[in-house]
Amino acid sequence: DAGITQSPRHKVTETGTPVTLRCHQTENHRYMYWYRQDPGHGLRLIHYSYGVKDTDKGEVSDGYSVSRSKTEDFLLTLESATSSQTSVYFCAISESRTGENSPLHFGNGTRLTVT
Amino acid sequence: SQKIEQNSEALNIQEGKTATLTCNYTNYSPAYLQWYRQDPGRGPVFLLLIRENEKEKRKERLKVTFDTTLKQSLFHITASQPADSATYLCALDSGNTGKLIFGQGTTLQVKP
Repeated sequence: DAGITQSPRHKVTETGTPVTLRCHQTENHRYMYWYRQDPGHGLRLIHYSYGVKDTDKGEVSDGYSVSRSKTEDFLLTLESATSSQTSVYFCAISESRTGENSPLHFGNGTRLTVT
Repeated sequence: SQKIEQNSEALNIQEGKTATLTCNYTNYSPAYLQWYRQDPGRGPVFLLLIRENEKEKRKERLKVTFDTTLKQSLFHITASQPADSATYLCALDSGNTGKLIFGQGTTLQVKP
């Protein structure tokens, strides 16, 4: 497995509370991504980063923010968690922009439940 | 609207047979298409990438085809084994943005 660690692996939180998920990589890859996976929707891109302090939105970014202050860490924050954000969250990394012979390597996910 | 469609019904086959999974897309013009495998409780794992100018790609018992006219990719596993049981995801680049868009995946069950 590529050196990607997501924490926590499981979390239960209440509606309205802020939540931060962490992704840590040891591969020194430039690109990092946050996806969520839901039944019936598959994997959907939330935000991604193309370098330290460089981030951009994906297709389902509302209600989420990200930060990348170091190459190895990419944080996903739910500013005020809602039940619709109950999901499995995956972090992924790639050496270069995906498609240039650079597939994604995924972590093993964080299962978040918002009650 | 843009869509990537994989058969949502599980595919059940007998060990030793060839499994064929389909990925169809509309309103995309991808330069490449990727296939991933996902086991329960784990993140997806990259298997194969095929470019728009490649008709076919092989890796051991895996074969992927890419037909840009039909807007379809087929993923074949020959001599399937129970260990091949997993969910298989196709993904493509939405217009050279570097962002991968995923299909919902097809679950394959190989019975001994």
